[in-house]
Amino acid sequence: DAGVIQSPRHEVTEMGQEVTLRCKPISGHNSLFWYRQTMMRGLELLIYFNNNVPIDDSGMPEDRFSAKMPNASFSTLKIQPSEPRDSAVYFCASSPGGTEYSNQPQHFGDGTRLSIL
Amino acid sequence: AQSVAQPEDQVNVAEGNPLTVKCTYSVSGNPYLFWYVQYPNRGLQFLLKYITGDNLVKGSYGFEAEFNKSQTSFHLKKPSALVSDSALYFCAVGQNFVFGPGTRLSVLP
Repeated sequence: DAGVIQSPRHEVTEMGQEVTLRCKPISGHNSLFWYRQTMMRGLELLIYFNNNVPIDDSGMPEDRFSAKMPNASFSTLKIQPSEPRDSAVYFCASSPGGTEYSNQPQHFGDGTRLSIL
Repeated sequence: AQSVAQPEDQVNVAEGNPLTVKCTYSVSGNPYLFWYVQYPNRGLQFLLKYITGDNLVKGSYGFEAEFNKSQTSFHLKKPSALVSDSALYFCAVGQNFVFGPGTRLSVLP
């Protein structure tokens, strides 16, 4: 079975540019999560969706960040405009289950390493 | 607020010796607890979970974890460590998807 697929694996861009990260969850999984990992702050939940609907976006750092899930097989995380402090590894994860998704394990992609110069 | 603590940044153990990676939690109500492992340049991989039932949970790669409600702990254990177990380990609470800071395990040959 294919796992969670993220693209690109690496992204280097200049400050002020728009960045779009992509995620394809595991087929049949109802929940999708976006995380950011840095040395200083560890692993932070940015936003999660259940059945394509955003449930909690309180972790999104500011208005420059936005996430969408137009269908069950695709999600994007967009940063516009990007800043050097956005440099991090961004992970997408998905999990099965309906309303009880909080007791299901998450399956992570291998992340996008983002560097903003 | 719900939280997870991993009191050790680093754990070193000799190959063949038992290992323990510690985790304590603060959760309202019954906790959903998870352990994940992360290898370099990879995403987190699920090892095991506790939802309810037996306090000793067995997971992947010979790992197990013991849920202790009175001590609010969920320590990860393995009877005999392998060099290939060297990685970053995360404890997590399911209710609000909070992860601990991680513990780096080094198994020395």
